[in-house]
Amino acid sequence: DIQMTQSPSSLSASVGDRVTITCRASQDISGHLSWFQQKPGKAPKLLIYGASSLQSGVPSRFGGSGSGTDFTLTISSLQPEDFATYYCRQSYVTPWMFGQGTKVEIK
Amino acid sequence: QVQLVQSEAEVRRPGASVRVSCRTSGYTFTDYFLHWVRQAPGQGLEWMGWINPDTGGTKYGERFQGRVTMTRDTSISTAYMELGGLKSDDTAIYYCATSGADYWGQGTLVTVSS
Repeated sequence: DIQMTQSPSSLSASVGDRVTITCRASQDISGHLSWFQQKPGKAPKLLIYGASSLQSGVPSRFGGSGSGTDFTLTISSLQPEDFATYYCRQSYVTPWMFGQGTKVEIK
Repeated sequence: QVQLVQSEAEVRRPGASVRVSCRTSGYTFTDYFLHWVRQAPGQGLEWMGWINPDTGGTKYGERFQGRVTMTRDTSISTAYMELGGLKSDDTAIYYCATSGADYWGQGTLVTVSS
């Protein structure tokens, strides 16, 4: 199985801050990397697919980058509604493997 | 618009089975594989397996082999996930999700308790 290592596990930030979350795969996943946002009691919401493509309807302050094994989710200017848990996921092969999650909290 | 609507919450005793349904609409049911993912309370996301709605073919995660069965009814565009031999650590929210466009259901809470 492909292991996904996500960091940090949590972070505190203020509204307007630039936030970066990283995800490393245990092998090359050919860009098959997605980022999800999850709020309490809700299903995960797709933000980024194919490592860098913005899902329709997602604000442009969210951006994804990376290739091979190393990927990054960036929120350029954190908004109050962005406080949530974020997960990366590889879909290059099954089993789908998710990162451990990053909880973004208010500083 | 695309919708995946899952069945209501369930409570089961240890050792019992549970079946969760995922009714889809707004797209061609056979266009995307249907995956099942679960999330234990306060924990991360765990993939369980997929079903190909076109052929009925399945692939299950190793830790669920022998306990999980995924089926579908193409006449009503609905997929099912049945998990047997329930244990307390199977208490989780179970999600269905499509491949490709990554549409997700709202989740079904399964509680296993004596």
